[in-house]
Amino acid sequence: DAMVIQNPRYQVTQFGKPVTLSCSQTLNHNVMYWYQQKSSQAPKLLFHYYDKDFNNEADTPDNFQSRRPNTSFCFLDIRSPGLGDAAMYLCATSTGTGYRQFFGPGTRLTVL
Amino acid sequence: RKEVEQDPGPFNVPEGATVAFNCTYSNSASQSFFWYRQDCRKEPKLLMSVYSSGNEDGRFTAQLNRASQYISLLIRDSKLSDSATYLCVVENAGNNRKLIWGLGTSLAVNP
Repeated sequence: DAMVIQNPRYQVTQFGKPVTLSCSQTLNHNVMYWYQQKSSQAPKLLFHYYDKDFNNEADTPDNFQSRRPNTSFCFLDIRSPGLGDAAMYLCATSTGTGYRQFFGPGTRLTVL
Repeated sequence: RKEVEQDPGPFNVPEGATVAFNCTYSNSASQSFFWYRQDCRKEPKLLMSVYSSGNEDGRFTAQLNRASQYISLLIRDSKLSDSATYLCVVENAGNNRKLIWGLGTSLAVNP
C-alpha cells in the first residue's frame, strides 16, 4: 500500500544533542511537510518542500533544518534540541499545496 | 479573528446521539476545506473534504457556508469509536495555499 513512513517512531535525545528524524513516501507526491504538534495543540507547520523548493515558515527556529535528497525522502534535523522541542513530529505529503495531506504515524521526541 | 476557530469542547454524548461541530474561518478567498480526525497520540487522518454543495459519507455530513464563512460536521448515530478530536482545516488562499489547522474539537461518545 502507498504510504508515508516515519522513523523512528520514538526518539529520546539529550538536551543539546543533535537528532535527525526521517520520512519516506511511496505516494510519489510533490510536496512534503514537517509539522510539530504538542499536546492539545494544532499541528504547527515548520516547513515544506515543493519538489526541491524549500519553504520555511517565518516563525520556525533556526535550530530546525530540513533536507530532501530525492522525491521519496525528507529529513528533519534538530541541531540542538531543547526541552521545549519535545513534541510529536509529523511528516505529511500532498500532490500540491492546498490539497489534502497524507500523514505518517509521527515521531514522538523526548528531550532529557 | 483567528484564521480558523473551533469550539474545543469536550463534547460528551451518548451512543446513538447526533452531534454537530462548527468551524469558522477568516479568509473569504479560501477554496479548500477539510475535516480531519485525530485519535490520542496518533496522526491526523482525513475524514472528509468539504465541497460547496455539501457532502455526505455514511453517518457523516459536511456543509460549507461561504457567506458566513463556516463549515460544519454532523455525525449521526454516534459510535464509541467516533471518540476522537476533529480538526477543521482550511486552505489559506493568500499564503502559498498552505493549510491552516484549527485546534480541534474533542468528542467523547459514552456507552
